[in-house]
Order: sequence, then C-alpha cells, then structure tokens
Amino acid sequence: DGGITQSPKYLFRKEGQNVTLSCEQNLNHDAMYWYRQDPGQGLRLIYYSQIVNDFQKGDIAEGYSVSREKKESFPLTVTSAQKNPTAFYLCASSAGVAPQHFGDGTRLSIL
Amino acid sequence: QKEVEQDPGPLSVPEGAIVSLNCTYSNSAFQYFMWYRQYSRKGPELLMYTYSSGNKEDGRFTAQVDKSSKYISLFIRDSQPSDSATYLCAMSATRGSTLGRLYFGRGTQLTVWP
Repeated sequence: DGGITQSPKYLFRKEGQNVTLSCEQNLNHDAMYWYRQDPGQGLRLIYYSQIVNDFQKGDIAEGYSVSREKKESFPLTVTSAQKNPTAFYLCASSAGVAPQHFGDGTRLSIL
Repeated sequence: QKEVEQDPGPLSVPEGAIVSLNCTYSNSAFQYFMWYRQYSRKGPELLMYTYSSGNKEDGRFTAQVDKSSKYISLFIRDSQPSDSATYLCAMSATRGSTLGRLYFGRGTQLTVWP
C-alpha cells in the first residue's frame, strides 16, 4: 500500500537534546512538508521541499532543521533551540499542486 | 488577518442532522479547495477536493466554493456518529512562489450523538 510513514509515534525529549522525526513516503511524490499542530491552532508549516536537495522555510522554522537527500525521505530535527517543542508533528507529501496526503503524526513531549 | 478563517466550534448535532461547515479566505489567488477530516491522534485524511468555483458531491458530502464571496462550505447529510472528528479546510494557489503550499483553517470539531 502506498502511503506516508512517520516514526516514532511518540517521542520524548530531554532538555538540551536534539531529536529527529522520521518521514518516509512511497507515493513517488516530489513535494514533502512538515507541520506542527497545537490544540486550537490548526496546522502551521515548518519546512517544505519541492525537489530533492532543496527545501524552504515555512512560517515557524526557527528551532527546526530538515534535509532532503532522497525523494522518499524528509526527516525533521527538533533542536535544543526550539523552546516549546511539545506538539503533534505531521508530515505530508504531494505531487505538484495536487492535494497533500498526511502521515499519522509523531507526538513529541518534554521530559 | 489570517489567510483562512474557520470557526473552531465545537459543533454538536444529533444523528441524522445536516451539518454545515464553513471557511472564509482573503487571498484571491486560491484556486484549489480541500476539506480534510481528522480523527483524534491521527493525521488528516482528504475528504473532498475542488478546483475553482462550483459544487462537488460525494455520497453524503457536498463541497461548495463561492469565489466571489471567498467562502467555502462542506455539507454532511444524514450525519452519523462516525462523522465525529475535526474538519479542516485548506486551500492553495496555482501559481507564484506559494505554488503547492496549503493554507489551513483552524479546524471545526464536530460531534454527532446517537
């Protein structure tokens, strides 16, 4: 089955620690996206990538970093500079202007 | 002003009711309009997808776009308890630097009680 796989489902971060969230897709989509979802705030765009080896900042990129070395993979690192990382993180992909398809998210909490 | 406005609810209706969910937007470049359904602790699932103005129907669901008023709607007929979820509207432009990028409403939380 084609789809988007996010792992882990739950993740805990200690103070000063960087953590990496995985996102893999087998839909052969060129574009991939990372969103953060907080209660009552909808989805906010962190980073997006329209082709391999290229990515752009979204609305809330500070404290996050990404890479896009392979078409199917778009990992997100939450760095220690992100002071309020507790949220639900969603990865999505799309073929051009077509609708985005989402994974089932990673819930990040602070220890 | 946010690009997309959506009343967060919550909205609570009895089973069998007709539900109307709405969003307004400010960017006239938006041409693609989507509705996503999100169950608790899951990712959003694409429900309806329309291009430009008009109506689209899929079973119990009807999506309407009124570009002159910058207003989109999702109607759910004969609502079921399994429709209980958060509904997110989203839209995107067809050209320019924001090509392919989605702009989301905050989501409306819907509960359908038996």
